[in-house]
Amino acid sequence: AQTIHQWPVAEIKAVGSPLSLGCTIKGKSSPNLYWYWQATGGTLQQLFYSITVGQVESVVQLNLSASRPKDDQFILSTEKLLLSHSGFYLCAWSLGDSSAETLYFGSGTRLTVL
Amino acid sequence: QQKVQQSPESLTVSEGAMASLNCTFSDGTSNNFRWYRQHSAKGLEVLVSIFSDGEKEEGRFTAHLNRANLHVSLHIREPQPSDSAVYLCAVSNNVGDNSKLIWGLGTSLVVNP
Repeated sequence: AQTIHQWPVAEIKAVGSPLSLGCTIKGKSSPNLYWYWQATGGTLQQLFYSITVGQVESVVQLNLSASRPKDDQFILSTEKLLLSHSGFYLCAWSLGDSSAETLYFGSGTRLTVL
Repeated sequence: QQKVQQSPESLTVSEGAMASLNCTFSDGTSNNFRWYRQHSAKGLEVLVSIFSDGEKEEGRFTAHLNRANLHVSLHIREPQPSDSAVYLCAVSNNVGDNSKLIWGLGTSLVVNP
C-alpha cells in the first residue's frame, strides 16, 4: 500500500529565516507530486507539481521553491520566510498515468511565521 | 479563470439526516469534479470523483453533476458525528491533469449525535 509522509507536522519560524518542508511517498514508483498551500480561512492553492525527478513546475509564485531530488521525495523551501507564508502546507501524489487521477494527500504541515 | 463556489458555508445536521452540499463552477467545459474532506487541518481524504452528468455513488457519498446548470452536489446518507469536517469541491477542465484543479473554500459540516 502507498503511504505519504510529511515532515515536520508543525513549525514556528521567524520572518526572514529559511524553511524546508519534506514529503516522501512509499509504495509507488514515478508518482506525480504536488505541493498545496492553504491560508487560514482561504482556499487550497496549488504551488508546484512534478511529474519526474528533477522536474518541477511552478503554479503560483509565493517566493517559495520546490525540488524533487529523488523519485519518492518532494521538498518545499525558501531562504527567507515572509509573514504571508503562514498556513497549512499539503503534499499530494497521484498515479501519473493517463486515467482520471485522484489526489492522495499527506497529513500536512502547519507553519506559523512570526 | 474558473471560479468555484461552495454553499452553504456551514451546515449542521442531526445524525442520520441527509446532508446536501453544493458547488457551482463557472467554466462550462469542466469535466473533472472531485469531492474531498478535511478533518481539522489534517490531510484531505478523497470521497467521490465524477466526470460526466448524472450520479456517482461511493458508499454513503453520492455526487450529482449537472454541467448545464454549472452545478455539482454531494449528498451524505446517514451522516455520523465522525463525518464532521470541511468538505471541499475541486473542478478542472482537464481530466487526468490535477495541476489544473481549482478548489472551493469548503463547507463546514457538523453532525450532531
